[in-house]
Amino acid sequence: EPEVTQTPSHQVTQMGQEVILRCVPISNHLYFYWYRQILGQKVEFLVSFYNNEISEKSEIFDDQFSVERPDGSNFTLKIRSTKLEDSAMYFCASSVEGVANTGELFFGEGSRLTVL
Amino acid sequence: SQKIEQNSEALNIQEGKTATLTCNYTNYSPAYLQWYRQDPGRGPVFLLLIRENEKEKRKERLKVTFDTTLKQSLFHITASQPADSATYLCALVFASGGSYIPTFGRGTSLIVHP
Repeated sequence: EPEVTQTPSHQVTQMGQEVILRCVPISNHLYFYWYRQILGQKVEFLVSFYNNEISEKSEIFDDQFSVERPDGSNFTLKIRSTKLEDSAMYFCASSVEGVANTGELFFGEGSRLTVL
Repeated sequence: SQKIEQNSEALNIQEGKTATLTCNYTNYSPAYLQWYRQDPGRGPVFLLLIRENEKEKRKERLKVTFDTTLKQSLFHITASQPADSATYLCALVFASGGSYIPTFGRGTSLIVHP
């Protein structure tokens, strides 16, 4: 069964360092998302991406964050200068059509980011 | 601001019983309401979606109801099994301004005892 894959599964970094989290969405999906979940808290929306551009972003997704689809398969989230409060599980998700049409997001297993 | 409320206390039930989880929201009714399952350290897995003009949806042992008057959705698992133990997330999808981004509640932990 097709799945969303994320790498790395766990990354430890020093405050102020740049981090890139990678995702390979399901191959025929067109809509891509990043969410994060701070330990013990809810899953929070960061950004959505369609047709090679950001379609929507939340207040959390400030200038320190960026997303890119560098080729036909990868979808990346970059954090330019990590802060302690960026420590969280980051989930990539994709959907074949927009949520309005099918309603289903397929999530990856997440990348746990620890900022020291 | 819009709030999504799920019981923060874990729900403990005996195997074979029906588990009922609640999702309440404030202000505007969503166009869709989704339920996901999340196991510890893993990504959410989509279970069911119900639209605002639907009252009830079923899938195997799962049933979801949606009452826009009460601003509430109930999620039922019948004949529960220990393997159903997980956190269940409610997500609301609002159709405002052409945006259809699921917004999640904090989830309720379900523990099914053998």
